[in-house]
Amino acid sequence: AQSVAQPEDQVNVAEGNPLTVKCTYSVSGNPYLFWYVQYPNRGLQFLLKYITGDNLVKGSYGFEAEFNKSQTSFHLKKPSALVSDSALYFCAVRDMGDDYKLSFGAGTTVTVRA
Amino acid sequence: IAGITQAPTSQILAAGRRMTLRCTQDMRHNAMYWYRQDLGLGLRLIHYSNTAGTTGKGEVPDGYSVSRANTDDFPLTLASAVPSQTSVYFCASSRASGGMNTGELFFGEGSRLTVL
Repeated sequence: AQSVAQPEDQVNVAEGNPLTVKCTYSVSGNPYLFWYVQYPNRGLQFLLKYITGDNLVKGSYGFEAEFNKSQTSFHLKKPSALVSDSALYFCAVRDMGDDYKLSFGAGTTVTVRA
Repeated sequence: IAGITQAPTSQILAAGRRMTLRCTQDMRHNAMYWYRQDLGLGLRLIHYSNTAGTTGKGEVPDGYSVSRANTDDFPLTLASAVPSQTSVYFCASSRASGGMNTGELFFGEGSRLTVL
């Protein structure tokens, strides 16, 4: 079985400060890892993914995430947060051997204050 | 604009009634999914379909059924709605690249269902 944990329900940062949203995962095989963002009353949008290769992956809107196999983590980061980054962020995992089932974390609400 | 269309956007339903949530995509993606989103629980997979003519059960399939008669449509049916099915429902699709599912999901805008 695969699962994702997002230990923080909420993250609050000031605009211009670094933003980190934490994610740890559990899979039986090699993981495919994803980050999605949800703005109010909208569907989720894909941000970035890790499949294989470089542990640091870059995605949309200046976000990046670092895959750490030993810590089974895939934290989302942005060097300088914007007020417009305020949203709900979801980490998701898929076992490489399971082609279709994506498991999501509970989500982390990010609030960036001006 | 290409994407996923869900209908209705919002519905209030009496318990015991039958309800079908519609989902249509125009991206010719092979895989489609239904998730429900509940506060504090994130998104949970209800049913999925790898390709037209096949469906599979997700984490929380009880009380729901799906069909995939063609590539574009993936309706979700609640045969006899119960209050615990009050939720926001999201349809999603994903494409294949090199014969493998990319895992990048495209989501609809959601259907908010309230069962009284």
